[in-house]
Amino acid sequence: ETGVTQSPTHLIKTRGQQVTLRCSSQSGHNTVSWYQQALGQGPQFIFQYYREEENGRGNFPPRFSGLQFPNYSSELNVNALELDDSALYLCASSLSSAETQYFGPGTRLLVL
Amino acid sequence: AQTVTQSQPEMSVQEAETVTLSCTYDTSESDYYLFWYKQPPSRQMILVIRQEAYKQQNATENRFSVNFQKAAKSFSLKISDSQLGDAAMYFCAFSGSARQLTFGSGTQLTVLP
Repeated sequence: ETGVTQSPTHLIKTRGQQVTLRCSSQSGHNTVSWYQQALGQGPQFIFQYYREEENGRGNFPPRFSGLQFPNYSSELNVNALELDDSALYLCASSLSSAETQYFGPGTRLLVL
Repeated sequence: AQTVTQSQPEMSVQEAETVTLSCTYDTSESDYYLFWYKQPPSRQMILVIRQEAYKQQNATENRFSVNFQKAAKSFSLKISDSQLGDAAMYFCAFSGSARQLTFGSGTQLTVLP
């Protein structure tokens, strides 16, 4: 059974650019959640996708957007990058929105 | 809104000894789940243990067990026979009706040989 995978592992962007992060959910999981983890802090919920529909959103601006595809993989898009967007971005998948979330290895984003 | 508090930024334990990490939370919901995740330097968040609020029995997973006190809104993690591989950042997390995880600020656990 393949676990949650994320790509890329590391990324460097400059302020104002746009970035797309990708996540493949664990086999059989139809729900993907995205979290932002700043250095030294706990992860913060960005949004969740359940069967290709957004199923909850945290306190993040609209320049953070996402997609979920029919195979339940997902993308996180961030427009107009700011320095404070530098963080570890974690993706988690679950059997449904009510089930335990299992995390991928994360993407480390650095905005210069 | 739910909040999760971990009051111990750092803890250390001698190899083979027992250590307890503390967590308190605040919620008005009655049906929820609580989790402990560990995050080693590799960054991957790994599930340690899960507790359903409706269950009175404390969850256990091998050397890991919890002390869940629903009335006190307390959820501590006990690690028995600590091993060097247990060294990591440990996060307590809450999941309620919104099904999103709310994390505490973490406890960095050091295991001394």
